[in-house]
Amino acid sequence: NAGVMQNPRHLVRRRGQEARLRCSPMKGHSHVYWYRQLPEEGLKFMVYLQKENIIDESGMPKERFSAEFPKEGPSILRIQQVVRGDSAAYFCASSPPGQSYGYTFGSGTRLTVV
Amino acid sequence: GQNIDQPTEMTATEGAIVQINCTYQTSGFNGLFWYQQHAGEAPTFLSYNVLDGLEEKGRFSSFLSRSKGYSYLLLKELQMKDSASYLCAVPGNTDKLIFGTGTRLQVFP
Repeated sequence: NAGVMQNPRHLVRRRGQEARLRCSPMKGHSHVYWYRQLPEEGLKFMVYLQKENIIDESGMPKERFSAEFPKEGPSILRIQQVVRGDSAAYFCASSPPGQSYGYTFGSGTRLTVV
Repeated sequence: GQNIDQPTEMTATEGAIVQINCTYQTSGFNGLFWYQQHAGEAPTFLSYNVLDGLEEKGRFSSFLSRSKGYSYLLLKELQMKDSASYLCAVPGNTDKLIFGTGTRLQVFP
């Protein structure tokens, strides 16, 4: 049973470009969470999604960031017009229905904006 | 809201015992988590405490006091591979986890 799969592992973007980060949850998991980790800092919650629904986006910056979890396919975190301050590790976690705290984290995507 | 406080860094010697403390303030309590995160890797689950007391799991133990808003992670017989960050987290509303900044532990030979 594959774990939470994130890709790419490393992503380099120039300022102003778009970044798309993908997360495929574990089989049987229907809840996806995105976290951001800035260098030398803890994990900060961004957004919680279930299939085709955004449940909690209280941690998402109001502009340039969006997330989706379609009926088919992976969850996508999209950052438009990236800036240097977006450079961070972005982790996705998934959990099964009814076990909301049974998180499994993916290996993360390290975004570098140059 | 939630607030979590843990030391930024700790050092210890191989074979020793180290205790990593975490204090928290939450509007409601639904347990406390500890995760381990090696540099450049994903956090991995260590423990979940919802009742007061000590829970032991091999070389790692976790303690919780709900009345004091306090938890600690105890690592025994330290090994070099235990060098990592240790993250304390509590559930927020809507099932998200609120993490502390993490404690970076360095184990020296």
